[in-house]
Parts: sequence; C-alpha cells; structure tokens
Amino acid sequence: DAKTTQPTSMDCAEGRAANLPCNHSTISGNEYVYWYRQIHSQGPQYIIHGLKNNETNEMASLIITEDRKSSTLILPHATLRDTAVYYCIVRVANTGNQFYFGTGTSLTVIP
Amino acid sequence: DARVTQTPRHKVTEMGQEVTMRCQPILGHNTVFWYRQTMMQGLELLAYFRNRAPLDDSGMPKDRFSAEMPDATLATLKIQPSEPRDSAVYFCASGFGGVETQYFGPGTRLLVL
Repeated sequence: DAKTTQPTSMDCAEGRAANLPCNHSTISGNEYVYWYRQIHSQGPQYIIHGLKNNETNEMASLIITEDRKSSTLILPHATLRDTAVYYCIVRVANTGNQFYFGTGTSLTVIP
Repeated sequence: DARVTQTPRHKVTEMGQEVTMRCQPILGHNTVFWYRQTMMQGLELLAYFRNRAPLDDSGMPKDRFSAEMPDATLATLKIQPSEPRDSAVYFCASGFGGVETQYFGPGTRLLVL
C-alpha cells in the first residue's frame, strides 16, 4: 500500500472549515484514500473514503486531485469536538487487509 | 447501536503476570483486528482474523503474545509473561467483507509495573 504524508499539526477556528491535506504521490490505480480520526482516549473512527471522485457524507468531504497524488479532507464547520488526530490511509479496496495508520495530523479546533 | 466491546477497560499488573484481554466484535462481522498504541510507536497492527482464522500475526511478539478466536463472538489477546514495555492501549476492531470500515472498541489500557 502507498505511503502518505500529512502535516504533523494544524489549528482551525471553531465554525470555520478545516482543510486537512494528504500527499500520496505513489498511489496505485486500484488504491482508495481513506480517512479516520481518533479523538483523545478513544478508538479510531471511520470518516470517509474515495477512489477518484470527490465524496461527501454527513461528517466531511473528500477532495481528490485529478492526478490522485494528493487529497484534502474538509470539515465544513469545525466544532471543538472535531479536535482529534486525523489519519489519511491509502489501501486497495475490498481486500479485507489491514489499514496502516501513520502519525496523522493533530487538529486543534480553537474557540 | 452495535459496538465493539472490550474488557477490561483498564488493567494494572506486575511484570511476569499473565494478561488476557477480550473483545466482542459487532455481530455479523467476520474480520477482527488487534492493534497496540503507544506514544512512541503510534498505532501498530498486532494480528487479524477472518472467519476466526488468523491471517496475519507478524506484528506480534510470538514468544509472549497469543491471539485466538474461540468463537465468532469472542477474540482474545494474551500476554504471558507481561513486561513493562507491553504497557500500551490495546484496541480491537471489527469489520465485514472487504472491511472498508473498521469499527474500533474503546481499548484496554494496560500498565505493567
């Protein structure tokens, strides 16, 4: 599975959009981009995943560049409860194989 | 609201003692993962099972760790003997089929003195 690069930490003002970048320049054609987050003292939580089209659900939006070498997770209106570590993972879909969690981005939402 | 449950939530033990952690995956899920998380190493995969059969346990120290699924509703992770370096949070996660979404339990916080 391809490796990802994320900033170590980011801040975002409450109520504003949080844009979390992820680079995955070695991604293969059959690899999806997944996002999970881990709120302090809890287990990681699935957010969203996609292949090449932009995706949106009730939690976030995922924007993938046309060349698929990078993506951005967008939390449209960040709240204090969105303070967490966000993991960007690239993986072949439908294989049932494990996810490799890197170090992620520590997002702090500031009041 | 289906959830993965883990017991115990906290465990303090002395070096050399046996530790058993239990996980109940979400009913119907056929894949179970065990992870360990420390500040230094982050989230590491220890082992995972599909349909109760071990698929990969290469992340687990074989001399002291063992993982089993006695039945579809129970997964266990055992450490014998425990060492201070085993102190960590141990997470269990479950999923189904291609496992596009893993559902994590609350974790077991282990402290080995």
